[in-house]
Amino acid sequence: AQSVTQLDSQVPVFEEAPVELRCNYSSSVSVYLFWYVQYPNQGLQLLLKYLSGSTLVKGINGFEAEFNKSQTSFHLRKPSVHISDTAEYFCAVSRSGGSNYKLTFGKGTLLTVNP
Amino acid sequence: GAGVSQSPRYKVAKRGQDVALRCDPISGHVSLFWYQQALGQGPEFLTYFQNEAQLDKSGLPSDRFFAERPEGSVSTLKIQRTQQEDSAVYLCASSLAWSDTQYFGPGTRLTVL
Repeated sequence: AQSVTQLDSQVPVFEEAPVELRCNYSSSVSVYLFWYVQYPNQGLQLLLKYLSGSTLVKGINGFEAEFNKSQTSFHLRKPSVHISDTAEYFCAVSRSGGSNYKLTFGKGTLLTVNP
Repeated sequence: GAGVSQSPRYKVAKRGQDVALRCDPISGHVSLFWYQQALGQGPEFLTYFQNEAQLDKSGLPSDRFFAERPEGSVSTLKIQRTQQEDSAVYLCASSLAWSDTQYFGPGTRLTVL
């Protein structure tokens, strides 16, 4: 089975500052990794995903994440945040083989961008 | 429609009542998923359909939970004899195929009193 730990439940930052949201996973098999964002009263939206290949993944809205197999991490970064980035961010993992549809999510990190 | 829709958006039930939650996936999406998100937690997988076939129901927490997708499109998640611990947001997602990106609906917030 897979598990995901999001180390920070809340991250407050000022507008235009850089941000890193941390995610560590545990799995005995190869995995796919995802970051989703959830705005208030909306569904989860995929930001980016790592399936294979380059360990640096670029997503929508200027976000990127780096897969580090040795540290079992998949941290999300943005060099300069906007007020509109305020939302809850979820890291998720699935196995890379069969049943890879089954996403296992972390508890989420609430990013609050202050003016 | 443009995205996954769910209804109702909010549901309040008295303990012991039965509830039915509806999901309309994106047109043409073969795969459909249900997740449960308790307060302060990430979503947890409940069940998966490919067309009308329920291929995985390993996440359903008890036999009070039942899901169906009879015509391979709209799906209904039914919870019988609701309990307080069933209070959560129930999310539906759909994808073109089982391994493709899952697109989530806004969820139904169920409160059991």
